Amino acid sequence: ETGVTQTPRHLVMGMTNKKSLKCEQHLGHNAMYWYKQSAKKPLELMFVYSLEERVENNSVPSRFSPECPNSSHLFLHLHTLQPEDSALYLCASSQDNGAYNEQFFGPGTRLTVL
Amino acid sequence: ELKVEQNPLFLSMQEGKNYTIYCNYSTTSDRLYWYRQDPGKSLESLFVLLSNGAVKQEGRLMASLDTKARLSTLHITAAVHDLSATYFCAVDIWTDKLIFGTGTRLQVFP
Repeated sequence: ETGVTQTPRHLVMGMTNKKSLKCEQHLGHNAMYWYKQSAKKPLELMFVYSLEERVENNSVPSRFSPECPNSSHLFLHLHTLQPEDSALYLCASSQDNGAYNEQFFGPGTRLTVL
Repeated sequence: ELKVEQNPLFLSMQEGKNYTIYCNYSTTSDRLYWYRQDPGKSLESLFVLLSNGAVKQEGRLMASLDTKARLSTLHITAAVHDLSATYFCAVDIWTDKLIFGTGTRLQVFP
């Protein structure tokens, strides 16, 4: 496996379900990100982890809970979601070396909340 | 509030024509990135621009950065159908964050 992988690629869940999204990066990077992409909206940054510490939480509702057990893995735990949470969830990673912060994206998880 | 605006939001152009996508941002930054996204797919990194006056070219695409004007451009030369996609600029504000523009959806027709 190379690059950034995400599973599952598609997920349909009811509002009372609990599910998790998984992201894995094989690039040796030290930072990982969750983004939400909805139709007709700019990419929204949700969470940032740098060296496994959460450094940014962009006022995301508590029904989204991130977890970063190590520098290669990132999870997004979902519970009691709303239909408006249906979107493409993208994971990204980068090596923030102080010079630049080019982010590399995974294929995304298309989430539908019924 | 930091804003990153792209225009146009939608561009329909004929094969063989030239056009430019503009990315304006509202804060000081000398690091900017361009990404491409195909429908239903993820974002692919195209260009990394790291200083005022930086210019990068790949095939029919050329990107430039003017940090004084807070403007980046993505120029398309002799468009082909394969370039149809949505293009995003993203401004690096010297934190762990990238601020993405609204995206420009490009459609190239014969």
